[in-house]
Amino acid sequence: SQQGEEDPQALSIQEGENATMNCSYKTSINNLQWYRQNSGRGLVHLILIRSNEREKHSGRLRVTLDTSKKSSSLLITASRAADTASYFCATDKGGAQKLVFGQGTRLTINP
Amino acid sequence: SQTIHQWPATLVQPVGSPLSLECTVEGTSNPNLYWYRQAAGRGLQLLFYSVGIGQISSEVPQNLSASRPQDRQFILSSKKLLLSDSGFYLCAWSLGQGRESPLHFGNGTRLTVT
Repeated sequence: SQQGEEDPQALSIQEGENATMNCSYKTSINNLQWYRQNSGRGLVHLILIRSNEREKHSGRLRVTLDTSKKSSSLLITASRAADTASYFCATDKGGAQKLVFGQGTRLTINP
Repeated sequence: SQTIHQWPATLVQPVGSPLSLECTVEGTSNPNLYWYRQAAGRGLQLLFYSVGIGQISSEVPQNLSASRPQDRQFILSSKKLLLSDSGFYLCAWSLGQGRESPLHFGNGTRLTVT
């Protein structure tokens, strides 16, 4: 079964607004990662947060991790049309980095 | 810098025909290598991973096989394709030897089995 599950499945907002996507997982993890996928392309790594970290920032991205609730969120601030993509969380339980991906959130930024 | 090449970009094959998808990585040595499959509008399913030459681990029983004949080359194969093998196939690499690292993906191969 899938380890990570994103919520919502689809999100449509206006340019300039903030976008929040959530991810839940089932078992203990080494780290949790977020990836972005433009239509028809490979995935691009955005950010990695370790199990002993609670929050991490990278540019307009903010990721939180709550290991007690087995959940993570990705916040994109001041969204741009170019942020339109699918976003996936992936969990790493350790050992050869066999990441388990969720189903993804399809984000649409309307100009 | 490291790069990953995956080809072909698209492929249309009849049921029962063989398959060979190739992936090569440049700029790093002894990487972990992965094959994922993505169904339309879905997440990624790990098919195979490799931590070294000739070392292949299969995650799901299926009609496919993988080989790693060289350190930075990973090949996905099938002797006879099924309709259910259609999908978007992604190759990826990460740092090996137990080092924590993100995955770096190729641009994928869109396979349609007709």
